[in-house]
Amino acid sequence: AQKVTQAQTEISVVEKEDVTLDCVYETRDTTYYLFWYKQPPSGELVFLIRRNSFDEQNEISGRYSWNFQKSTSSFNFTITASQVVDSAVYFCALSEFRGSSNTGKLIFGQGTTLQVKP
Amino acid sequence: DSGVTQTPKHLITATGQRVTLRCSPRSGDLSVYWYQQSLDQGLQFLIQYYNGEERAKGNILERFSAQQFPDLHSELNLSSLELGDSALYFCASSSPVAKNIQYFGAGTRLSVL
Repeated sequence: AQKVTQAQTEISVVEKEDVTLDCVYETRDTTYYLFWYKQPPSGELVFLIRRNSFDEQNEISGRYSWNFQKSTSSFNFTITASQVVDSAVYFCALSEFRGSSNTGKLIFGQGTTLQVKP
Repeated sequence: DSGVTQTPKHLITATGQRVTLRCSPRSGDLSVYWYQQSLDQGLQFLIQYYNGEERAKGNILERFSAQQFPDLHSELNLSSLELGDSALYFCASSSPVAKNIQYFGAGTRLSVL
């Protein structure tokens, strides 16, 4: 069965600190996608990144970076120089590949609540 | 703004009642997904439609049903509501043109009293 584990329930940091959110997944599929979504206090779910199982290159987008390691089934997310606006719940998710027409359902972790204090 | 529109934003109703949640996907997206977010269950997949047809089903209760119309909007119907159905219901849509990434609406917060 597919499963996503975010062991960190809550993290609190002071502004400008770096913070890493952990994500460990389980799947028997050889082809799959991994995602990170952000849920700010306003409640919507905002897409941050998608990574497919064949691409283990790390990715950096501004202050955000992602480390995908297939050997340890992990897809960790680092925020550099955190800001108060980064305060949110962050979800890691996994989906199976269903062909070019669509992806499968998203299986979400329980989420990590990040609080960035000024 | 994701381009996915959900109405209403908030819904307050009583046990035993029936409600309909509506979702308009992003322009051109053929796939629509419904998810439920609750404190005890987290974010859970309910059902997926692709171009009007049911494509996948999650742990959706028999009291819940959905459909996708020819104009691609979707509705989630919840009936015989119970207190435990109180949750945030999200709709997402995706398209191969947009790398099949699921973009979410702002959600409908349902409170069953």
